[in-house]
Amino acid sequence: QVQLVESGGGVVQPGRSLRLSCAASGFTFSSFGMHWVRQAPGKGLEWVAVMSHDGTIQYYGDSVKGQFTISRDNSLNTLYLQMNSLTPEDTAVYYCAKNKGSGSSWWGPFDYWGQGTLVTVSS
Amino acid sequence: QSVLTQPPSASGTPGQTVTISCSGSSSNIGSNTVNWYQQLPGTAPKLLIYSNNQRPSGVPDRFSGSKSDTSASLAISGLQSEDETDYYCAAWDDSLNGVVFGGGTKVTVL
Repeated sequence: QVQLVESGGGVVQPGRSLRLSCAASGFTFSSFGMHWVRQAPGKGLEWVAVMSHDGTIQYYGDSVKGQFTISRDNSLNTLYLQMNSLTPEDTAVYYCAKNKGSGSSWWGPFDYWGQGTLVTVSS
Repeated sequence: QSVLTQPPSASGTPGQTVTISCSGSSSNIGSNTVNWYQQLPGTAPKLLIYSNNQRPSGVPDRFSGSKSDTSASLAISGLQSEDETDYYCAAWDDSLNGVVFGGGTKVTVL
């Protein structure tokens, strides 16, 4: 069965960096686009970034453009999110999510989600 | 302020039908399909409706979706207590080159 397991969250000081990982199993990882979605405490869902199945296409939400970098290692079945210059506004649960369509389809929907990892930016 | 607009709340009594609206623009709902997610408290969202009106395997047929021009709707018929939770609409936005979500609607079963 499909499993997505995020890791790397925690408490970090403002201005520091953090890298999240999402280990995927149960499907052919290299065939599907992958997304990061975040949810601030008590707030709604906010899309963060997408990477195509082959890593050639990446798009970012306006609030993280130039600050976060999405990447993937298809040999390790792992998705990453490098987060730099973190601010308290980046405090959220970060979910990785699998794109339902394969190949050149990477614009959603998200048919599987991880359990999320909490990132808290605080001094 | 979310790109897609949903009412913050909706309610109904058991057995009734509740409808949640999702309003967008020509760059998102007007030119792409709409997806709906259900999020139970403390858990990850779950895909409820995709491609405007398709249900993933395992989703009861009490849930249905529709789209017209730049708006979409999610209907929950035969409302049950377990349907009391948060619902989000989403679509790809061609101008922003990203996925946009609605602000979410909390459904209460009275």
